[in-house]
Amino acid sequence: EAEVAQSPRYKITEKSQAVAFWCDPISGHATLYWYRQILGQGPELLVQFQDESVVDDSQLPKDRFSAERLKGVDSTLKIQPAELGDSAMYLCASSSLAGAAGELFFGEGSRLTVL
Amino acid sequence: SQELEQSPQSLIVQEGKNLTINCTSSKTLYGLYWYKQKYGEGLIFLMMLQKGGEEKSHEKITAKLDEKKQQSSLHITASQPSHAGIYLCGAGFSGYALNFGKGTSLLVTP
Repeated sequence: EAEVAQSPRYKITEKSQAVAFWCDPISGHATLYWYRQILGQGPELLVQFQDESVVDDSQLPKDRFSAERLKGVDSTLKIQPAELGDSAMYLCASSSLAGAAGELFFGEGSRLTVL
Repeated sequence: SQELEQSPQSLIVQEGKNLTINCTSSKTLYGLYWYKQKYGEGLIFLMMLQKGGEEKSHEKITAKLDEKKQQSSLHITASQPSHAGIYLCGAGFSGYALNFGKGTSLLVTP
């Protein structure tokens, strides 16, 4: 069964360091999402891509976060510099229903701890 | 502000007991999604409800959508340890990505 791949699963870094997360969506899924989930909270959307284009990045802290999906397939989310408050689970999801809320397929997530 | 409110926040039930989790929206619902998340892992899709009054079941989990009340309920019959996890409701208000509630943490004891 096709899955959304994410790496690394766990990342521990010191504040002010740079960190990057990678996501490979299910083949053929044009829509890709990055969510952040703080412990005890629901996932919050950071950025949504349709193919290689950003559809929504209104909640992405652009002073330190960046996301790209250059070829419209896999994607990278970067944080530079990391802050203590960035400690969270970073979830990638993909879907095949472009432009409408549909069934999202999530990866296992990348858990970030900032010391 | 939180557009989707879930209750209760957490639940501890004895194995074999029934339970209900509620999700109430502050906005008009055009569809409601239920996901389950095992602790420290990604979300797994359970079911989608699109029409008022719609009811769907998957194994021992049943979900209903009340569009007039802008709420959905998820009911688990004869709970098992495998049902433990975090249950999240989600909705696509702007037609794009899903917004999620804070989740309901379920623990099933022997």
